[in-house]
Order: sequence, then structure tokens, then C-alpha cells
Amino acid sequence: DTAVSQTPKYLVTQMGNDKSIKCEQNLGHDTMYWYKQDSKKFLKIMFSYNNKELIINETVPNRFSPKSPDKAHLNLHINSLELGDSAVYFCASSQIGLAGGRGSYNEQFFGPGTRLTVL
Amino acid sequence: AQKVTQAQTEISVVEKEDVTLDCVYETRDTTYYLFWYKQPPSGELVFLIRRNSFDEQNEISGRYSWNFQKSTSSFNFTITASQVVDSAVYFCALSEAISSLYGKLTFGQGTILTVHP
Repeated sequence: DTAVSQTPKYLVTQMGNDKSIKCEQNLGHDTMYWYKQDSKKFLKIMFSYNNKELIINETVPNRFSPKSPDKAHLNLHINSLELGDSAVYFCASSQIGLAGGRGSYNEQFFGPGTRLTVL
Repeated sequence: AQKVTQAQTEISVVEKEDVTLDCVYETRDTTYYLFWYKQPPSGELVFLIRRNSFDEQNEISGRYSWNFQKSTSSFNFTITASQVVDSAVYFCALSEAISSLYGKLTFGQGTILTVHP
């Protein structure tokens, strides 16, 4: 059973198009994330959702809109795709426990990644 | 602000050599978590270890070992008797235990390890 799954694995599209990437986790975690890995392998967080609520939005352009219909799903929709959006996008999930307003949490499990190529 | 530095961009070794991957971090929080992830050529990110800031015990898991030193803000990773299958990009990552950040992972730049037969 796949813990964190993403679809599609590869996405090739033209500039200006709108596309979505789907993510699902079956680990029962309460927090999900989107990361972007650029051509130099640098990984950077984009968004984080905890119990369907947006928690982290790391100065990502408005063209990127995450949507979490439930705790197990976090989708990423991208409008008006640009060449610079070409990257590998990873979804991840983890279980976060809070004590006195501070997090105590376990490792993040990552999906297989979606390689987006914008032509 | 949290920051992770992996100064070694690429390392090349011959099989059976020992290799250490360096990781230095910066944080103003007293409670934080450190991680190592492996990204093999197939592209997935594989979790290797988590360490919290209150646990400075070194850990060994088979050929892998980790040396956490708060005094130098380092969390180094050693592979003993390296094998070709160890060839991958290795990432060190940090997360501060602040609820507003909800597990935000800050990754280092990654170290590309190539093990030659």
C-alpha cells in the first residue's frame, strides 16, 4: 500500500495552461505539504495544511492554489503556467502533536514526486 | 530564521571507503528537529533519521551513523564501508518546534554522493 501517492508522475504542458497535481496519503496524518525541487535539487516548502487549514504559505505566486478537501488529500492547482514552474513537486505528510503551542512531530513522508515540464 | 548548510556539494568515493556528510544548522529555537533524507537516482525522498534537540546521543543503524553535536550545531552522517547503492543525493533538514510553522522543513542544498565500484 502506497503511503503518499501523487498523480500524475509526469506532466508536460504548454505555457499559459492550467494544471493540477493530486496528492493522497493513507497514513492518517493531520498535516500535508507541498515542496518544490528545482533543477539544482534544492527543496523548498510551498504550502502546509493542518486538518484542512492552510498554515504555511511561503511567498508562492497566487497562480499556485492548494486545495484540501479532507485531511487525506492535498491538491495543487497551477494557473497560467510559466517556464520557471518546471520542477519536481513533492507532496508530503506528517503527524504533528502540539503541546503548549509547540510542535512535537514525526518525520515527513514524501510522495514519489511529479515532474512538471512547461514548454 | 532556520538555515541548514551542507558545504559538500559532491563527494566521490570508491566502494568500501567510509564517507562523512557534513551538516551545519542555524536556529534560534531551543526545541528543534533534525533529519536526514536520501534521494536515490529514482527520485523519491527516503527518510533516514530524526533527532530532536534534547537527544544528543549518537545513533548507529547498520552501516549508517549520525553524530549530533549541539556545541557546534552539527549533525553529520557517516556511511561505513560504502556501497554503490549508497549513491544518491543526501539532504539534511531542520524544523523548529513552533506551532505557527507546523513542521516546516528547511533543507540543506544536498550532497551528491557517488560511490564507484
